[in-house]
Amino acid sequence: DTGVSQNPRHKITKRGQNVTFRCDPISEHNRLYWYRQTLGQGPEFLTYFQNEAQLEKSRLLSDRFSAERPKGSFSTLEIQRTEQGDSAMYLCASSLRGGDAGSVGYTFGSGTRLTVV
Amino acid sequence: AQSVTQPDIHITVSEGASLELRCNYSYGATPYLFWYVQSPGQGLQLLLKYFSGDTLVQGIKGFEAEFKRSQSSFNLRKPSVHWSDAAEYFCAVGPYNQGGKLIFGQGTELSVKP
Repeated sequence: DTGVSQNPRHKITKRGQNVTFRCDPISEHNRLYWYRQTLGQGPEFLTYFQNEAQLEKSRLLSDRFSAERPKGSFSTLEIQRTEQGDSAMYLCASSLRGGDAGSVGYTFGSGTRLTVV
Repeated sequence: AQSVTQPDIHITVSEGASLELRCNYSYGATPYLFWYVQSPGQGLQLLLKYFSGDTLVQGIKGFEAEFKRSQSSFNLRKPSVHWSDAAEYFCAVGPYNQGGKLIFGQGTELSVKP
């Protein structure tokens, strides 16, 4: 198990273009989370899935953002018509719901850094 | 409202000196508290976590944190800082069942001078 994998690591795009990021969680983890981290701030929750079901979405997730986890394994986060304000690090994390509190917890990926020019 | 406050945006300590990073939280239910560290351009690494039991918890890299319910605080400490500890530190709070979203503070950047 190599942990949570995110691709690409970096993405530079022109304003107005669409971008898609991928997250591969730890294989046995049934919950998957997306966070956004802007410069100098802590991560902010965007959305999360339990298996393939999207259970919660933050108000930060405008209608230009969509996330999927079609088979309950990997997830994609798409941003349509990117704006400069979308420039941030997008972090993915996975966890096991109901796992023992002392042994199972969040694992974060290294993130995808998006720059909109 | 649920929130985490890290009052210190940036702290500089000398190598070998002790360190304390402050964290205050506001959370409706019994909180599950975390400290994470982030090196530049990297993801988050868990240092330690606390839900119940002994209010002084030990983590990796020689860090420890103390939970004080009366003060709604969960401060991170290290007796002797190493240059490699320079990084951004985040306090977070979440629900106990390990599967909920985390609420993060804005972070404290630690610089270590020789």
